[in-house]
Amino acid sequence: GEDVEQSLFLSVREGDSSVINCTYTDSSSTYLYWYKQEPGAGLQLLTYIFSNMDMKQDQRLTVLLNKKDKHLSLRIADTQTGDSAIYFCAESRRTGGFKTIFGAGTRLFVKA
Amino acid sequence: GAVVSQHPSRVICKSGTSVKIECRSLDFQATTMFWYRQFPKQSLMLMATSNEGSKATYEQGVEKDKFLINHASLTLSTLTVTSAHPEDSSFYICSASLGDTQYFGPGTRLTVL
Repeated sequence: GEDVEQSLFLSVREGDSSVINCTYTDSSSTYLYWYKQEPGAGLQLLTYIFSNMDMKQDQRLTVLLNKKDKHLSLRIADTQTGDSAIYFCAESRRTGGFKTIFGAGTRLFVKA
Repeated sequence: GAVVSQHPSRVICKSGTSVKIECRSLDFQATTMFWYRQFPKQSLMLMATSNEGSKATYEQGVEKDKFLINHASLTLSTLTVTSAHPEDSSFYICSASLGDTQYFGPGTRLTVL
């Protein structure tokens, strides 16, 4: 995940909004993803955005993409304790075959 | 839709034995599947790309003779860890491609004693 960077930890209070940020380096990325991983489990696809979009909203989730700065963010509105998990940002690349490159993950801790 | 399963979810084995992990796409066909390894509190490390009907493509530093991958059908890929050592203990996750999106299995926790 050396080409996709995320902050490692975020703590918020229940009911507040959470914003998880991610930067990537490959301008040829076609899709950018947010995955959620709960302890001991696999990855759950939360949402994705196509590289020609600026924003995508899906219920409590809002994804913002700044392609010029190669910056992606995930906003979770009204954060709940059940949102506590690790969130991985990922980009898909088609150079040299199809690959998905993951960030190191941001651990979100929601305080009741 | 787009469900991927893995079996087993947990396995404990002795050093020197081989362990097979299965990855299945349950409701779609996947020409490409991926195998990842995840160490505690770390991100996913891509081990290999598994293509149906052809040899897997391994990432640099991954021993192909130790981690055998077979993708015999459009819904099944297997990863066999041969001659397992304690340092092979890890969380192994597979994914299957549907279009440009990867769907992940729940993972297999391997512990080698």
